[in-house]
Amino acid sequence: QKEVEQNSGPLSVPEGAIASLNCTYSDRGSQSFFWYRQYSGKSPELIMFIYSNGDKEDGRFTAQLNKASQYVSLLIRDSQPSDSATYLCAVPYSSYKLIFGSGTRLLVRP
Amino acid sequence: GAVVSQHPSWVICKSGTSVKIECRSLDFQATTMFWYRQFPKQSLMLMATSNEGSKATYEQGVEKDKFLINHASLTLSTLTVTSAHPEDSSFYICSASQTSGGQGGGELFFGEGSRLTVL
Repeated sequence: QKEVEQNSGPLSVPEGAIASLNCTYSDRGSQSFFWYRQYSGKSPELIMFIYSNGDKEDGRFTAQLNKASQYVSLLIRDSQPSDSATYLCAVPYSSYKLIFGSGTRLLVRP
Repeated sequence: GAVVSQHPSWVICKSGTSVKIECRSLDFQATTMFWYRQFPKQSLMLMATSNEGSKATYEQGVEKDKFLINHASLTLSTLTVTSAHPEDSSFYICSASQTSGGQGGGELFFGEGSRLTVL
């Protein structure tokens, strides 16, 4: 059974701080990893995806992948109140089929 | 990015009635669409894979006779919840892939979601 685990939170950080969101996965053969943001009552929107070990940066977002530890994280620098949302980690288990983690709720305090 | 539209965005119905939700890819052709369900404070759970011109593939535990999926064209998939009951109340989200042979997920576009409330 392929699993994706996330801490449900909420993770509360002050405005301007770095928010660190973590995700672990069970399938050692997984090759790609996705971070989605979901505002309450809305559908998910893709923030980033990462395939290679190491860091991938896109604006204020950095995804970090460690395949040996089966661990992927998302860092949000200079957090803004508008970043408050639930962040979903997702791993494909076949072409385009995604397994989602339960999501981590992030609260950015003004 | 590509646009996927769902309709209706929310619906309230009486127990025992059937509800149809449409998912359209507006500016691309989608040979495959996916239907997810999300209960409050839970993650998205894949219900079924909708394939244009063929039968849908359902995930384990999803009743295919209750959740009818039709993918009659490359731009439209429909999900019909038959004889809906209060426990079917949920947020239903479709997604579509624009290209084939991709890495998965990165080329998936989600609809806005449809919130179903069964009284």
